[in-house]
Formats: sequence, structure tokens, C-alpha cells
Amino acid sequence: QVQLVESGGGLVKPGGSLRLSCAASGFTFSDYYMSWIRQAPGKGLEWVSYISNSGNIIYSADSVKGRFTISRDNAKNSLYLQMNSLRAEDTAVYYCARGGAVRGIVADYWGQGTLVTVSS
Amino acid sequence: DIQMTQSPSSLSASVGDRVTITCQASQDISNYLNWYQQKPGKAPKLLIYDASNLEIGVSSRFSGSGSGTDFTFTISSLQPEDIATYYCQQYDNLPQTFGPGTKVDIK
Repeated sequence: QVQLVESGGGLVKPGGSLRLSCAASGFTFSDYYMSWIRQAPGKGLEWVSYISNSGNIIYSADSVKGRFTISRDNAKNSLYLQMNSLRAEDTAVYYCARGGAVRGIVADYWGQGTLVTVSS
Repeated sequence: DIQMTQSPSSLSASVGDRVTITCQASQDISNYLNWYQQKPGKAPKLLIYDASNLEIGVSSRFSGSGSGTDFTFTISSLQPEDIATYYCQQYDNLPQTFGPGTKVDIK
């Protein structure tokens, strides 16, 4: 069965950095686009970034462009999100999802999420 | 960015009731509209993709319809396990955007 397990969240000060990981299993990771989607406490869902199956196509939301970088290691079945220059408004549960691009590439499975708290 | 609106923002219904949620996009998104269910403390779960296609393994009491800018999500007979927040999402254009959610509970 498809499993996505995020890790790497925690408490970080404004301006700090954090790297999230997502370990995938139960499907051929290298065949799928992957994405990160976040949810601030008590709020709705916000798409963050997606990466193509080979890693050569990347798009990110304007709110994180230049600060967050999505990447993947197909040999390790892993997805990453490098988060730099963190702000209070980045506080959220970060979900990795299989798929999650546009027009036919649906986010069909999501991990359980990892909480990132940006606070001094 | 494409703005997604949902109504109502919350509803309370009895077990067995038919429940309908509407979602409207600020511009034509064809049928690139998905519906997710999120239970408290859990990750969203895909129920309906491309406006009307039921995800494998999802109960047939869930259904979706619509195209262009106006979409509808229906629970044909509300069950206690359907208590959740439901989100629509457009993925026609970047950035993909979600509606604000509809919280459903039991009367």
C-alpha cells in the first residue's frame, strides 16, 4: 500500500532553516510527480511546490519562491523540502503528496504531515 | 490566481440526509476540480477527481458534478463517519488553489 512518511519538522527561529523529508513506499516513486502542501493551524490548505518524476520540472508558490527548494532522490524513494529564511507565517503542518501538479496529476495520497513552528 | 469559494462554510444535518456543497471558481477551470475530505488531525483524503470521478475505494454515497466555474459535491445519505471538513481544489492552473472548506457535522 502507498505510504508517505514526513519527518524533519520542529521549532525554528525566524530567519532559520529546516529540511523536511518524505519517505515513500508501496509504489514506483520514480514514476510520479510529488508535491508539498501545507496547512497553517486551524486554516485551509495551501499548495507549496511540486516536482516532476525526473526532477527536471519544478514549480513553487510565490509565497515561498526563493526561500524553499523542493528536491527528490529517486534512488532513495525520498522527497525533500529545504526551507530557508523561515517566517512566522510559514508555521504549518507540511504534507507531502503523490502527484499534485496540474491537469490530470492529482494529489491522490498524502502523508500524515509534519509540524513546522517558526517562533522566537 | 484562481479564487475558489465554497458554500456553505458549515452545515449540520441528520444521519441519512442528503448533503450538498457547492464550489465556484473565479474563472473557467474545465473539469480540473477535486474534492477532499479531512477529518480532525488527519491528512486530506481524495474523494472525487476531475469533478465527477470517484476515487477507487471511496464510498459511492459521495458524488460530484459540474464543469467550468460551478461544481457540486453530494453525500447521498450522511453517515456519522462523514463528519469532516470538505475542500474543493482546482488544478487547472498554477498555483493550484483550494476552497476555504465546508465543515459538516451531525445534527
